[in-house]
Amino acid sequence: DARVTQTPRHKVTEMGQEVTMRCQPILGHNTVFWYRQTMMQGLELLAYFRNRAPLDDSGMPKDRFSAEMPDATLATLKIQPSEPRDSAVYFCASGPDQGGMYQPQHFGDGTRLSIL
Amino acid sequence: AQTVTQSQPEMSVQEAETVTLSCTYDTSESDYYLFWYKQPPSRQMILVIRQEAYKQQNATENRFSVNFQKAAKSFSLKISDSQLGDAAMYFCAYRSAARTTSGTYKYIFGTGTRLKVLA
Repeated sequence: DARVTQTPRHKVTEMGQEVTMRCQPILGHNTVFWYRQTMMQGLELLAYFRNRAPLDDSGMPKDRFSAEMPDATLATLKIQPSEPRDSAVYFCASGPDQGGMYQPQHFGDGTRLSIL
Repeated sequence: AQTVTQSQPEMSVQEAETVTLSCTYDTSESDYYLFWYKQPPSRQMILVIRQEAYKQQNATENRFSVNFQKAAKSFSLKISDSQLGDAAMYFCAYRSAARTTSGTYKYIFGTGTRLKVLA
């Protein structure tokens, strides 16, 4: 089965360091999502791409977070500088979007980020 | 704005018994999609079942079924013959059928219900 691949699976770093999380969407999926999961907030949408263009990043703190899709096989989420409150599990999901019938998102296994 | 509410942070069920997880939502749209995701300790989010709002018939996937009450804006998940492998966090989620002005669909997730299965 095709899967969304996220790296790294775990990341521990000190406050102030740059963190880069990567995602390889399923081949042929043209929408990519970044979510953050915390105990307090649940699953929050950070960024939404279609055909590599960012359509919605209103959920993302702009001062330190950035999301890009340099090509159709790679999505990145960067945090610079990182802070302890950024500690969470970050999920990438992808799905096809050709309009019409809904197609489900497929999630990666997430990156557990711990900022000390 | 759309919201999804899961009022049960945690539920327990005896193995082989039936359990129902509740979900309510709020929307002004007439067409949308609802679904349940399962997140086991491995963290992977797995789609369990989905329901199109325009369909009156409740969706069923093996031991999983939903009770979709559109007027009441309720979308509960029933798990029959519970198994130890069903232990997980379950998320109810909503997706709009119409795009926003920026071309996106609205995806809203509930806060989850942790299901424990007792042997």
